[in-house]
Amino acid sequence: DQQVKQNSPSLSVQEGRISILNCDYTNSMFDYFLWYKKYPAEGPTFLISISSIKDKNEDGRFTVFLNKSAKHLSLHIVPSQPGDSAVYFCAAINTDKLIFGTGTRLQVFP
Amino acid sequence: GAGVSQSPSNKVTEKGKDVELRCDPISGHTALYWYRQSLGQGLEFLIYFQGNSAPDKSGLPSDRFSAERTGGSVSTLTIQRTQQEDSAVYLCASSLRQKGNSNEQFFGPGTRLTVL
Repeated sequence: DQQVKQNSPSLSVQEGRISILNCDYTNSMFDYFLWYKKYPAEGPTFLISISSIKDKNEDGRFTVFLNKSAKHLSLHIVPSQPGDSAVYFCAAINTDKLIFGTGTRLQVFP
Repeated sequence: GAGVSQSPSNKVTEKGKDVELRCDPISGHTALYWYRQSLGQGLEFLIYFQGNSAPDKSGLPSDRFSAERTGGSVSTLTIQRTQQEDSAVYLCASSLRQKGNSNEQFFGPGTRLTVL
């Protein structure tokens, strides 16, 4: 039973354009969401988070939007850069442990 | 070092053998987590240690898996009688686990386990 879902396994975006990565969840009790970025042969690194009491959090080129009624969150990267090419994982906190989605591989091409 | 370290980085073993994977968390972090990522899958929670509390073992897939955290610092994940389906990247993370924070977890580089 996948509680956190990332339905797009891959996304390809041109440099300078906006990248939008989507994530859906099923458990309305989740109260914190995080996005992690992962390069090959490295562990995931924290990117940005959002509390369930907010609907938006922005940090530089990265913005996360939360729609609680739809149980949906998205990560916007603008402008996208080739160095953003990586796998992005959405995660929710459940009793201190992270429940991860299956990831979306973002490819930013020149 | 400043980050989470794991050893070995790669481990190849034969089916039926036991393996031990090690994690050194960030100094001062009270919480330690083990996850694994199988090919084409997301990260799957295995076990969580918080201070002196009993660990949350709810993610361990079978009784062949166990973990210890000695002295509140270093942790060892042991897999007994390895099977081919145990092949995965095993990731360790640690966090400060302070009330009110986002529980940002810092990950190590992982151990890639291959069971032949």
